[in-house]
This record gives sequence, structure tokens and C-alpha cells, in this order.
Amino acid sequence: AQSVTQLDSQVPVFEEAPVELRCNYSSSVSVYLFWYVQYPNQGLQLLLKYLSGSTLVKGINGFEAEFNKSQTSFHLRKPSVHISDTAEYFCAVSERNNDMRFGAGTRLTVKP
Amino acid sequence: DAGVIQSPRHEVTEMGQEVTLRCKPISGHDYLFWYRQTMMRGLELLIYFNNNVPIDDSGMPEDRFSAKMPNASFSTLKIQPSEPRDSAVYFCASSFRGTFGETQYFGPGTRLLVL
Repeated sequence: AQSVTQLDSQVPVFEEAPVELRCNYSSSVSVYLFWYVQYPNQGLQLLLKYLSGSTLVKGINGFEAEFNKSQTSFHLRKPSVHISDTAEYFCAVSERNNDMRFGAGTRLTVKP
Repeated sequence: DAGVIQSPRHEVTEMGQEVTLRCKPISGHDYLFWYRQTMMRGLELLIYFNNNVPIDDSGMPEDRFSAKMPNASFSTLKIQPSEPRDSAVYFCASSFRGTFGETQYFGPGTRLLVL
């Protein structure tokens, strides 16, 4: 079965700095990959997803992620973060026609 | 559309009591998912439905948990009897025409505290 590892539980960063949130997965078959964001006291909402095609995926709020099959990674990046990006970020993987597994989450804190 | 609606938003109950969580998916969506989120275990899929039929309930912790979807616009997750270790945030999500390649839309969650 597939699994997801988010390598950092917390990432503090200053406003307007770049950020990378790391995600590695394990699976023996082709997968779908997702990044979700959870703001305080809210449900998760999709940032971006990779299903097939171009390995560079652009999402909402200026985020992007790159699928690297050889390294089984799907790291999330943003070139310049805002205070409003402070949230919990979840990487998720789904084997085709199987259930979705979420990582433990990375708490991004943007400081002024 | 109002999005996925969950009720109640907060629930405090005593051990041994029955708890019922409710979910209204987005109209037209054919998949519905129930998740549980805790600090210790993260986000776990409990069960999911396709066209009101339960497809996979392997994530349901034990027989105290049950879920139903009597029609396309309503689902319940019931815990009977409840225990302190059931304290968590329970999310409902829905999606359209697909399994897990389609975007899941999450509700705001029900924060359950069992004393």
C-alpha cells in the first residue's frame, strides 16, 4: 500500500521569503499526488494535484509542486510567502482506484 | 453551492453516550468520505461511499462506529457507545465522478470531545 512522509513537521519562515515543504511517497504503482491546505478551524482545501503529464504543477495562491518519479517526491514550493499562508499543509497520495493516504502535515508559520 | 455542510460543529458528550455526526455533500457529487483527524494519528480515512453505497469501511476503528448514507444528500457517522479516545475532528468530504483522482471537497469538520 502507498504511504506518505512529510519530512518537516514545522517550517517557520519570514514573510516574502521562499519556502519548500517536502513530501516523499512510496508506492509500487502509478499514483496521483495532492497538496491540501488547512487553515485554523477549517476543513482541507485542494492546493494542487498531479494526475499525469507535466511534472510541474501550478496551484492556487502561487504555489507549485514538482513530481519527481525517480526520487518519489512531490515537494511544494512558493517563491515568496505571505502572512496569510500560515496554515497546515498536507501531502496525499492515491494509488489508482485505491484510498487516499495523507501525510502527517507540515505547519507553515510565516513571520512578519 | 454552499459546500459540504457538517453538523454539529462542536460536540461535547460523556463516555458511553451515542454520538451522531451529520454531513450534507455538495449536490451532484457521487462520492462521500468520512475522515478522522487527531494529533497522534493524523488524518485517517474511515469509510467512503459511491452513489450511497459503502465501498470501503476498512478504516472504521471498531464496531462502535457505523456510517450510513440513506440518500445522495445526507450521511451520518454514529459512535455508540462513545469513548474518550474517540475525541477528534471528524471531516466529511465529497467528490464527483471519480475515486481518488478527483478533487475532494471537505466540510468544516465536527470537533468531538468525549469526557
